[in-house]
Amino acid sequence: EIVLTQSPATLSLSPGERATLSCRASQSVYTYVAWYQQKPGQAPRLLIYDASNRATGVPARFSGSGFGTEFTLTIMNLEPEDFAVYYCQQRTNWPTTFGQGTRLEIK
Amino acid sequence: EVQLLESGGGTVQTGGSLRLSCEASGFTFKSYAMYWVRQAPGKGLEWVAYLSASGGTTNYGDSGKGRFTISRDNSKNMLFLQMNSLRAEDTAVYYCAKEGYCAGDCYSGLDHWGQGTLVTVSS
Repeated sequence: EIVLTQSPATLSLSPGERATLSCRASQSVYTYVAWYQQKPGQAPRLLIYDASNRATGVPARFSGSGFGTEFTLTIMNLEPEDFAVYYCQQRTNWPTTFGQGTRLEIK
Repeated sequence: EVQLLESGGGTVQTGGSLRLSCEASGFTFKSYAMYWVRQAPGKGLEWVAYLSASGGTTNYGDSGKGRFTISRDNSKNMLFLQMNSLRAEDTAVYYCAKEGYCAGDCYSGLDHWGQGTLVTVSS
């Protein structure tokens, strides 16, 4: 099973700042990574697919990068609605796995 | 507009069974693979089961192997999860999710999710 390790567990930033979230895989997952945002009481929302492609309707301040074992989700100019929990997921092989999440909180 | 509407959750005793349903609309259901993903209270996301568009390929996470069965009725745009021998650790919100489309050798992610249905297993 491929383990995804997200860091940091919690990130405290202010609106307008830049957030950098990391997802590290225990073995290569090529670009088969997606990122999701989840707000309290809501279902997850797809942000990024195939490591670097923004999903439909996702603002341009969200970007993804990486290949192999290291992936990054960057959020520029944080808006109040961006404070949430973020998960990465790999779908290289079965089982598909999720990272444990990074909580982005308002400083 | 794509919509996924889960139902069938509730409280069940340890060892009992539940059948979750997910009604899909707003897209060509028979063309897309579907997933069940769960989230225990206060915890992260855990993949439960996968079913290909045709229904010919299934995969299960270790937590549900031998106890859970995923199925679909493409004529009714419905996805199901039959859960047997339920345990306290199966307590979670269960989401159905649609896999997106990605042209070529790539991963599209789960581009639409239902609102979830809560399953509580108690002794």
